[in-house]
Amino acid sequence: DSGVTQTPKHLITATGQRVTLRCSPRSGDLSVYWYQQSLDQGLQFLIQYYNGEERAKGNILERFSAQQFPDLHSELNLSSLELGDSALYFCASSVATETAQETQYFGPGTRLLVL
Amino acid sequence: GIQVEQSPPDLILQEGANSTLRCNFSDSVNNLQWFHQNPWGQLINLFYIPSGTKQNGRLSATTVATERYSLLYISSSQTTDSGVYFCAVRTNAGKSTFGDGTTLTVKP
Repeated sequence: DSGVTQTPKHLITATGQRVTLRCSPRSGDLSVYWYQQSLDQGLQFLIQYYNGEERAKGNILERFSAQQFPDLHSELNLSSLELGDSALYFCASSVATETAQETQYFGPGTRLLVL
Repeated sequence: GIQVEQSPPDLILQEGANSTLRCNFSDSVNNLQWFHQNPWGQLINLFYIPSGTKQNGRLSATTVATERYSLLYISSSQTTDSGVYFCAVRTNAGKSTFGDGTTLTVKP
């Protein structure tokens, strides 16, 4: 158990809908990262937050947004869902991020299926 | 952006055999991690190793940052070692890039 929790574990929804994925980092970790793992594109970095502020942005679509709250938990919002958004979404956390020199610990993931 | 190449893409071993997985990256990095994704999808952190050598039981890893590659060694493999092994790097810009992984199958 990495100490990172994600809810829900599974999510089934329809095209055009909006969903919210939630992540609680390990105790004491200030950074949260979101990743998408799909069959055709592998593991892709989406976005990182550090202590409530956006720190780095990857291949995140405009239909997707994220935020990190004062209690350090994070939410990833996916809207206008398409079939291709079906994937495993991971959250990871780490202690700090000023130099990127730290270990990331991954949560169990949320498996999203868009029908 | 930075390119990460892992080899081999697939590896089939008999239990007890040793293996070496390789990760090449195209630019300087300040963070490199090896992960194991088990058959249930969980990503398990194996090593944080931007440079040097580390060992943890039957697993060890070496990163030669100046030559832009990292190696993961698995000795005396067990069926529970099966899964996908990923190398992930991060640059100062903070963006993580994963390789496509090596799928390891260990047969009893």
